[in-house]
Amino acid sequence: DQQVKQNSPSLSVQEGRISILNCDYTNSMFDYFLWYKKYPAEGPTFLISISSIKDKNEDGRFTVFLNKSAKHLSLHIVPSQPGDSAVYFCAASATGANSKLTFGKGITLSVRP
Amino acid sequence: SAVISQKPSRDICQRGTSLTIQCQVDSQVTMMFWYRQQPGQSLTLIATANQGSEATYESGFVIDKFPISRPNLTFSTLTVSNMSPEDSSIYLCSVARAFGSSSYEQYFGPGTRLTVT
Repeated sequence: DQQVKQNSPSLSVQEGRISILNCDYTNSMFDYFLWYKKYPAEGPTFLISISSIKDKNEDGRFTVFLNKSAKHLSLHIVPSQPGDSAVYFCAASATGANSKLTFGKGITLSVRP
Repeated sequence: SAVISQKPSRDICQRGTSLTIQCQVDSQVTMMFWYRQQPGQSLTLIATANQGSEATYESGFVIDKFPISRPNLTFSTLTVSNMSPEDSSIYLCSVARAFGSSSYEQYFGPGTRLTVT
């Protein structure tokens, strides 16, 4: 049973437009969420996180939105750049879980010049 | 952030042998983890490496197969024992750093790509 789901395997966006990456979760104990970017042959790079006490967190071109009632979060990248092309993973953890992360399968973002 | 290095970066091993992966962090951290990413799959937590005590394993992973050492707060090793082709994966070391009581960041090493033939 997959507790963190990224249902779209890939997304293609024009440079300069907005990229919206979606993530759903089923475990109501999850209260902290993180997004990672991964290039081939490298480890995941932390992008942004959000606690369940917030519904939005912004860092430069990256904004994460959390809808707790829908158990849904999304990562917005605007404007998208070709260097953003990578695999993006959504991850979640529960308070007291000692930072153990449960990951989605990832979504491959391609930003077309 | 934390700078994490792993050795080796990749290896090709024969079935039945064992491989030890090293993870070095540039600063002391309390929480260290080992993950696995099988081809086409998400990252899966293998175990939490506890300094001064036995590692805590997740369901489906056992100490005999994946022994872990954590001799100090900057170093850990993961051994993949008696390997089979199903162990072919990327193995990733990770550390967590808390900021206050309600937020933290978790950083990953570059990974070790293991192929078992």
